Amino acid sequence: NAGVTQTPKFQVLKTGQSMTLQCAQDMNHEYMSWYRQDPGMGLRLIHYSVGAGITDQGEVPNGYNVSRSTTEDFPLRLLSAAPSQTSVYFCASSRDSSSYNEQFFGPGTRLTVL
Amino acid sequence: KNQVEQSPQSLIILEGKNCTLQCNYTVSPFSNLRWYKQDTGRGPVSLTIMTFSENTKSNRRYTATLDADTKQSSLHITASQLSDSASYICVVSAGYGNNRLAFGKGNQVVVIP
Repeated sequence: NAGVTQTPKFQVLKTGQSMTLQCAQDMNHEYMSWYRQDPGMGLRLIHYSVGAGITDQGEVPNGYNVSRSTTEDFPLRLLSAAPSQTSVYFCASSRDSSSYNEQFFGPGTRLTVL
Repeated sequence: KNQVEQSPQSLIILEGKNCTLQCNYTVSPFSNLRWYKQDTGRGPVSLTIMTFSENTKSNRRYTATLDADTKQSSLHITASQLSDSASYICVVSAGYGNNRLAFGKGNQVVVIP
């Protein structure tokens, strides 16, 4: 099992560019989520999905889109990158949405927007 | 607003020594509390989960405590090793789902030989 994989590991964008951060899991988990981690702050939830075809907004969804066409994949799209989106992005998955189920995190994508 | 406060923000300890990390929360309703370890450049990994009825739980050299009355938790590291150098994140669940988590900022621990 590879667990949760994320690509790319590093990315530099110019303001206004768009891109997609990829996330995949091979554990047949129903629940997947995206977080951003900024210095001096706790992880913040961007979007989440409780199953294929179902997504919802988290705490900081503005500027991001997601889709969940398969159980395995949960890409995060930046529509028009802004310097405020410079951050480390983590994808996570768990068996279902219950908080009693551990979330498994990917290795992260470090994004810099110039 | 649900909040999780961790202290100390950072600490340096000698290899072989013990340390205790604190987590205070104001989260309602309380469902459970989880401690994560995050190595530099990696994603967080769960160490242990505490539910309302649990006071103490151990995982190898890590011992977590929970006092639901005072809304405090601690993570004790025994006989620290260089590999314990990491950020330890306290996460409190305010309800059923993983979409209702309150994250602390983390305790940064550096173990020196």
